[in-house]
Amino acid sequence: EVQLVESGGGLVQPGRSLRLSCAASGFTFDDYAMHWVRQAPGKGLEWVSGISWNSGSIGYADSVKGRFTISRDNAKNSLYLQMNSLRAEDTALYYCAKDLSFGGVSLGPIDYWGQGTLVTVSS
Amino acid sequence: EIVLTQSPGTLSLSPGERATLSCRASQSVSSSYLAWYQQKPGQAPRLLIYGASSRATGIPDRFSGSGSGTDFTLTISRLEPEDFAVYYCQQYGSSPAFGQGTKVEIK
Repeated sequence: EVQLVESGGGLVQPGRSLRLSCAASGFTFDDYAMHWVRQAPGKGLEWVSGISWNSGSIGYADSVKGRFTISRDNAKNSLYLQMNSLRAEDTALYYCAKDLSFGGVSLGPIDYWGQGTLVTVSS
Repeated sequence: EIVLTQSPGTLSLSPGERATLSCRASQSVSSSYLAWYQQKPGQAPRLLIYGASSRATGIPDRFSGSGSGTDFTLTISRLEPEDFAVYYCQQYGSSPAFGQGTKVEIK
């Protein structure tokens, strides 16, 4: 059974940093691209970032480019999101998500999602 | 960056009725890299359709996707009580993005 468990969320002041982690199990982690998707309270989904299986292809939404960094450690079956210079508009539930496509070098659709970790940016 | 616009914002229908949801892209979506998701309150989204028309594993055949280029449609042939939810389209590939969602509510 595929499991994605996010951690690292919490309350943080504007301008500060936070690092999210995602522990993956139930599938061969280094065969799939991975994503971070967020959802502000009462709002829609926003794709944040994605990384291919070998970290050779990485993408970011314009809203986070230059502030957020995605990375993965295939030996630890883990995905990360380093978030710097946080803003109030970054407040959201952050989902870790698995790409559908085996061995894809581009970012595909998402077939499994974690339950999310809440990030609140407020003074 | 491709912008996806979904319509209508809310669809009020009765169980058993047909639902037609639209997703329009600001520019052509390459290789029909278009997916549809369902999200219920308090739950993570669920993949319904990818490649514009391929059903994901375990998705009932009352869900179907169609379209190409800039115009895509999700059709639910006969609404079941569990289908009332919010639906999102997503284009994927080099720079994924979601539409703003369509809520299907009980009339």
